[in-house]
Amino acid sequence: QVQLQESGPGLVKPSETLSLTCTVSGASISSYYWSWIRQPPGKGLEWIGYIYYSGATNYNPSLKSRVTISIDTSKNQFSLKLSSVTAADTAVYYCARTTMVGITDYWGLGTLVTVSS
Amino acid sequence: DIQMTQFPSTLSASVGDRVTITCRASQSVSSWLAWYQQKPGKAPKLLIYKASSLESGVPSRFSGSGSGTEFTLTISSLQPEDFATYYCQQYDSYSRTFGQGTTVEI
Repeated sequence: QVQLQESGPGLVKPSETLSLTCTVSGASISSYYWSWIRQPPGKGLEWIGYIYYSGATNYNPSLKSRVTISIDTSKNQFSLKLSSVTAADTAVYYCARTTMVGITDYWGLGTLVTVSS
Repeated sequence: DIQMTQFPSTLSASVGDRVTITCRASQSVSSWLAWYQQKPGKAPKLLIYKASSLESGVPSRFSGSGSGTEFTLTISSLQPEDFATYYCQQYDSYSRTFGQGTTVEI
């Protein structure tokens, strides 16, 4: 059974960098695409971006200047960094698996990150 | 970016009702469309992919149809566990986008 688990600080100060890691179990990270999606409280889903095991990435154009997604195949983990955060970046952040044809089928439980001083 | 618009935003229904949710894309996404169900405090769950393919384990009362720019998700007979928010997502373009969601309430 594929499982994904997000980890990282739940509170980040404005202007700092949000960092999250997703640990994958039950599947090799050296296949598939691996995605980050977020959801502000009470709002809809926003796709952040994804990475392939080769390191190739694709980001949401509206976040591209602040986002970096990386992958560590030796640990079966991938990570998200979002710089210069503001209160608008407060959200539940989900990591997820995306198939080679683009279907996002397995999701982590999500982790709430609050941006506040 | 391809914009995805869902309607209605909220839908009031009763157990046993047939429910239809519509998702419209700002340009053609062929059949590269998925539907997700999300319950409060939970991660989204994949229901339908490639517009009309039912994900394994999803009840057959859920069905999807459409292609190009117009898509529908239908629940043939609403069950108590189906009260949730539903999202469409296109995966035709490199920049993936979601609809704003449709909440099905009692």
